[in-house]
Amino acid sequence: DTGVSQDPRHKITKRGQNVTFRCDPISEHNRLYWYRQTLGQGPEFLTYFQNEAQLEKSRLLSDRFSAERPKGSFSTLEIQRTEQGDSAMYLCANPGNGELFFGEGSRLTVL
Amino acid sequence: DAKTTQPNSMESNEEEPVHLPCNHSTISGTDYIHWYRQLPSQGPEYVIHGLTSNVNNRMASLAIAEDRKSSTLILHRATLRDAAVYYCILRDLNRDDKIIFGKGTRLHILP
Repeated sequence: DTGVSQDPRHKITKRGQNVTFRCDPISEHNRLYWYRQTLGQGPEFLTYFQNEAQLEKSRLLSDRFSAERPKGSFSTLEIQRTEQGDSAMYLCANPGNGELFFGEGSRLTVL
Repeated sequence: DAKTTQPNSMESNEEEPVHLPCNHSTISGTDYIHWYRQLPSQGPEYVIHGLTSNVNNRMASLAIAEDRKSSTLILHRATLRDAAVYYCILRDLNRDDKIIFGKGTRLHILP
C-alpha cells in the first residue's frame, strides 16, 4: 500500500457519458501526476499539479479531459463524452524521496 | 527526454538470479537511473534508483556501467511474485521530475 488511493477502481460506462476519477495522494507531497495506461503499453503521462496549479498537460489530454486539484489536496480527472478509445487504466502518482508512489489505478471500460 | 532500450521479454527459473539489462546511451550527467515494476492489475512500484555507484536494497541490486550508458537490475533469487513488467527510466531530478515510461521488459518466472 503506497498511501495513494484512487476511486473508483473500476468503471464501466456507455459511450458519450461523462466519468470522473478521484485521487487522494499522500498528504504531505505537493506534486500529483496523472497517467493513462492501455493494454500492453507503459503508462503515458497526462498532466501534473504543483499544489493546486496545473503545470503541464500532455497533448494526449484532449479538450474532453479536465483535471483539477482544489486546495492542493485530492485531485479529480473528468472525461466528458467518453469514447471507446478512452478505455484504459488511469493512474495517479505522488512523489516521495526520489521515487513516485502510484495508486492502484482506475480502470475505465467504455462500451 | 533521454530514452532507454530494454528487451521486450525475459524468462527465468524460480529461485535463480535474474539480470535485467537496460541501455541508455544518451544519458546525461544529471540523469538518475530508476527502475519500476508493475505487477498484473496494479500500479507501478518503485524498485531502486542510482546515479553512478552500484546500489542495493531489500528488493534488488542495481549495477551501473562505468560509462553509465547501461545498467542491470539484479533480482538475486526470483520468486513467482517477481513476474511483472520492469521499466528502466532516466529521470533528471534537477528539472521536471515526471517519469516517462517505455514498454519495459516482461519477466516470466518458470516454476
